[in-house]
Amino acid sequence: EPEVTQTPSHQVTQMGQEVILRCVPISNHLYFYWYRQILGQKVEFLVSFYNNEISEKSEIFDDQFSVERPDGSNFTLKIRSTKLEDSAMYFCASNRGNTEAFFGQGTRLTVV
Amino acid sequence: KNQVEQSPQSLIILEGKNCTLQCNYTVSPFSNLRWYKQDTGRGPVSLTIMTFSENTKSNGRYTATLDADTKQSSLHITASQLSDSASYICVVSAWGSQGNLIFGKGTKLSVKP
Repeated sequence: EPEVTQTPSHQVTQMGQEVILRCVPISNHLYFYWYRQILGQKVEFLVSFYNNEISEKSEIFDDQFSVERPDGSNFTLKIRSTKLEDSAMYFCASNRGNTEAFFGQGTRLTVV
Repeated sequence: KNQVEQSPQSLIILEGKNCTLQCNYTVSPFSNLRWYKQDTGRGPVSLTIMTFSENTKSNGRYTATLDADTKQSSLHITASQLSDSASYICVVSAWGSQGNLIFGKGTKLSVKP
């Protein structure tokens, strides 16, 4: 069964460092998303990506964040200068349109 | 403001029993409502998705209902199993917003033997 895969599963980084979280969406999907979940809180939307450009983003997705689809399979989230409050579980998701979204298993980012 | 509220916050039931989880939303314009199951430390897994015109949908032992007039949904779990222990999240999508899903805080269900 096709699935969304994310790497790494856990990333520890020092405050101020750049991190790149990687995702491989399901191959025939067209829409890609990043969400985050701070420990004990609800999942929050960050950004949606379609046709090689951002289609929507939330207030959380400020200039420190960027997304890229560098090739035909990967979808990345970059945080330029991490802050302590960026510590969270980051989920990548994909779908073919206004249908159910398939989520990856997440990357736990810990900023120290 | 678009919001999704769920109740109860947590629930403990005995294996084999049924339970019903509630969701109220104020998302407009409404597109669809989804229920996800999330195991601790894992990504959400879709259970059901319902549009405006659907008022019930089943997926095995899971049955979701939707009342678009009152903006309420429920998820009924029949004959619970230990593996049903997880958080159940109600998620609403606004029309015209592809990925900006509005998540509830979830109901943490514990099924005890």
